[in-house]
Amino acid sequence: DGGITQSPKYLFRKEGQNVTLSCEQNLNHDAMYWYRQDPGQGLRLIYYSQIVNDFQKGDIAEGYSVSREKKESFPLTVTSAQKNPTAFYLCASSIVLAGGADTQYFGPGTRLTVL
Amino acid sequence: GQNIDQPTEMTATEGAIVQINCTYQTSGFNGLFWYQQHAGEAPTFLSYNVLDGLEEKGRFSSFLSRSKGYSYLLLKELQMKDSASYLCAVMDSNYQLIWGAGTKLIIKP
Repeated sequence: DGGITQSPKYLFRKEGQNVTLSCEQNLNHDAMYWYRQDPGQGLRLIYYSQIVNDFQKGDIAEGYSVSREKKESFPLTVTSAQKNPTAFYLCASSIVLAGGADTQYFGPGTRLTVL
Repeated sequence: GQNIDQPTEMTATEGAIVQINCTYQTSGFNGLFWYQQHAGEAPTFLSYNVLDGLEEKGRFSSFLSRSKGYSYLLLKELQMKDSASYLCAVMDSNYQLIWGAGTKLIIKP
């Protein structure tokens, strides 16, 4: 079955700790994205990558880092510099068309809670 | 700035029809998407409009007017499982998605 997986589904972290969220896709999509979702707000883009070994900051990249060493994988690290990390984190992927990106498909999400 | 507006919450009755509106102001336009999101789950793709008019897909239809910066999602023959949030998103000139906050749809028997 083709799809996007994220792990873990729930994650608890103590203040001051870094934590890495996993995102893997077997859809052969070139582009991958990380969003955070907070109650009452639209999804906000953290980072995105359209090709291996390259990624771009989104609207709220401060306090986060990513890597794209393989086409299938796009892990997100939430660092201690992120002031309000408690949120629902969503990973997505899409193909890249000649004219731009296509429909994004989402993984099941990781709910991060900072204690 | 870029802005997507949709109602926060709507209530409808099982078997009825509901229309969820979305208005947008963005830097460029490369299409409008509707997603469904059940509580605690991932958004799932429903529809894509890039040209004016109505796109029908089973019980769901989506309409776009680019000149008015307006779209709606029409859900017919509502079922209890349609209780979810519906997210409107516009792809801007940089091919990035700008998201509305979502409309929570409550279906009553």
